[in-house]
Amino acid sequence: DTGVSQNPRHKITKRGQNVTFRCDPISEHNRLYWYRQTLGQGPEFLTYFQNEAQLEKSRLLSDRFSAERPKGSFSTLEIQRTEQGDSAMYLCASSLTGPGYTFGSGTRLTVV
Amino acid sequence: AQTVTQSQPEMSVQEAETVTLSCTYDTSENNYYLFWYKQPPSRQMILVIRQEAYKQQNATENRFSVNFQKAAKSFSLKISDSQLGDTAMYFCAGPGTYKYIFGTGTRLKVLA
Repeated sequence: DTGVSQNPRHKITKRGQNVTFRCDPISEHNRLYWYRQTLGQGPEFLTYFQNEAQLEKSRLLSDRFSAERPKGSFSTLEIQRTEQGDSAMYLCASSLTGPGYTFGSGTRLTVV
Repeated sequence: AQTVTQSQPEMSVQEAETVTLSCTYDTSENNYYLFWYKQPPSRQMILVIRQEAYKQQNATENRFSVNFQKAAKSFSLKISDSQLGDTAMYFCAGPGTYKYIFGTGTRLKVLA
């Protein structure tokens, strides 16, 4: 068990390009969360999966954002037609049905 | 509305001294969990301490303890014998539907 793994750690992309991030949760964790964190702010909730089902999406998750968790294992977060406002740290967290999350190290996205 | 408020953007403390970080929250739930997370400059969020609202006894983890006032919806973190390694952002997290909501954080600097 190596914890929650996120790849890549850093991504620089040009405005208008598509990007995809991956999160591998702790293997037995059935819940997976995506958060976005901008500089100097706390994490903001984006979306939540229980197993393969996406149970909640934030209003922050515009039509350009999509997340999947096929087979209830790893998850991907895709951003289409990136904008400079998408620049942020994207955090993944996982948990069992009990309280508290384990976070990954995050993917830092810079849109230039 | 489910909200978490941290009113101290920055704090500093001398090494070996005690510091208290404040957090207030709002929820309509009766039983829930509250958390303090630490985010060092490496950016990975680490769980510091958690409190179950059902329990009246304040949680303690080594040098970290909380003062939980359920009626006031207040949840402060006390760090005793502060160490240089405690320098980090600290986030309070409270209950939301299917997920936890984070405050905007307190930047703590421990001074040598």
